[in-house]
Amino acid sequence: EVQLLESGGGLAQPGGSLRLSCAVSGFSFNTYAMNWVRQAPGKGLEWVSAITGSGHSTTYADSVKGRFTISRDNSKNTLYLQMNSLRAEDSAIYYCAKENKAVFGKGRFDQWGQGTLVTVSS
Amino acid sequence: DIQMTQSPSSLSASEGDRVTITCRASQFISRYLNWYQQKPGKAPKLLIYGASDLQSGVPSRFSGSGSGTDFTLTITSLQREDFATYYCQQSYTSPVTFGPGTKVDVK
Repeated sequence: EVQLLESGGGLAQPGGSLRLSCAVSGFSFNTYAMNWVRQAPGKGLEWVSAITGSGHSTTYADSVKGRFTISRDNSKNTLYLQMNSLRAEDSAIYYCAKENKAVFGKGRFDQWGQGTLVTVSS
Repeated sequence: DIQMTQSPSSLSASEGDRVTITCRASQFISRYLNWYQQKPGKAPKLLIYGASDLQSGVPSRFSGSGSGTDFTLTITSLQREDFATYYCQQSYTSPVTFGPGTKVDVK
């Protein structure tokens, strides 16, 4: 059974940092690209970042570029999102989502985690 | 970035109804259009990919059509468990973008 389990969310101050993790099981992690998608309370879905299965290539939404860093440890079957310089508008549920192939682009998100809530507030 | 729009933004329907949701892209996206269902407090779930391919395990009452810029999600006979919010997503170019969602609730 495929499982994606996010953790690391919580309350952070504006300008602060958080590191999200997504532990996966049930599939060959290193053969699939992974994504982070967020959803502000009561709002729609916003793609945040993606990383290839090898970890060699990454891409970011303009809204987080330069502040967030996506990475993965294929030996630990874990995806990460390092979030720095947090802003109130980063407050959202953050989902990790598996892409259906090793590289991002022209694909689909076929498995999702349950999400972890990030709140940025003083 | 490619902008995705959906209509209607919400609709009220009864069990057994046929429901149609449309999605429009601001630019040509071929058939790189996916549909997701999201229930309150839950993660999105992939329903349709490539505009018309049914994801494994998804009931056949769900179907998708379209290409280029205009797409449709159809639920042929709405079931209780289908009351949810539906999002389209384009993956033709980066960044992938989602539509604003269509909420289907009980009439």
